[in-house]
Amino acid sequence: DVKVTQSSRYLVKRTGEKVFLECVQDMDHENMFWYRQDPGLGLRLIYFSYDVKMKEKGDIPEGYSVSREKKERFSLILESASTNQTSMYLCASSTPGDQPQHFGDGTRLSIL
Amino acid sequence: GENVEQHPSTLSVQEGDSAVIKCTYSDSASNYFPWYKQELGKRPQLIIDIRSNVGEKKDQRIAVTLNKTAKHFSLHITETQPEDSAVYFCAARRNTGGFKTIFGAGTRLFVKA
Repeated sequence: DVKVTQSSRYLVKRTGEKVFLECVQDMDHENMFWYRQDPGLGLRLIYFSYDVKMKEKGDIPEGYSVSREKKERFSLILESASTNQTSMYLCASSTPGDQPQHFGDGTRLSIL
Repeated sequence: GENVEQHPSTLSVQEGDSAVIKCTYSDSASNYFPWYKQELGKRPQLIIDIRSNVGEKKDQRIAVTLNKTAKHFSLHITETQPEDSAVYFCAARRNTGGFKTIFGAGTRLFVKA
C-alpha cells in the first residue's frame, strides 16, 4: 500500500517566518504534488514535480517555493509566512499516466 | 483557465436513498476523471475513476458516468449508508502538457439514519 507521509499534522508559526513542510512517499512515484485545501474551494494546486529537481507552478504558487532533491521527498517552503497562508496543506504522489494520486494526512498550518 | 464545477455543494439524503453528484469540466483535452472521498479529519482517497474511452463504470454501490460531448460526469451512490457521509471531490486531468489535475470544490454528503 502506498504511504505518503507528511512531517507534521499540526503546525503553528508566526508571520514572517520561513516554514518548511516535508512530504515523503515510499512507492518510487515520479510525480509529487502540493495542494492547499480551504472550505468551499476544494483542492488547489500550489506546485508539482514530475522528476527529481523538476518543478512546475500550479494555480496558486505565489508566496511558495518547492524543493525536490530526492525522488521520494518533496518539500514546500513558505518564504515569509503570512496569515492568509493559514490552511490545510496536502501532499500527494502518483505514477505518470492515468493513475490516481495518493494523499498524505495533511498538515494544518496556522500562521499567527 | 481550466476549471471543474461541482454540484451540489451540500447534499442530504435518507439512508437507503440514492445520491448523485454532478461535475462539468472545461478542458476538452481531459481524459481521466477520478473521484475522491474525504472523511472528516482524514486524507482524500480514490473511490472510483473513469477514462475517456468508457461511458460508464460501476463498483458495487458506486457508479460513474461520463458524457464527453457535454463535458459532464457524475457520481451515483445507491442504497446510501451513514458511513457514506463525507466530502466527495471530482477531478479532471489531461494526458498531455503535464500531470495537472483540476479538482471540483467538493460536495458534503450527509446520510441520515
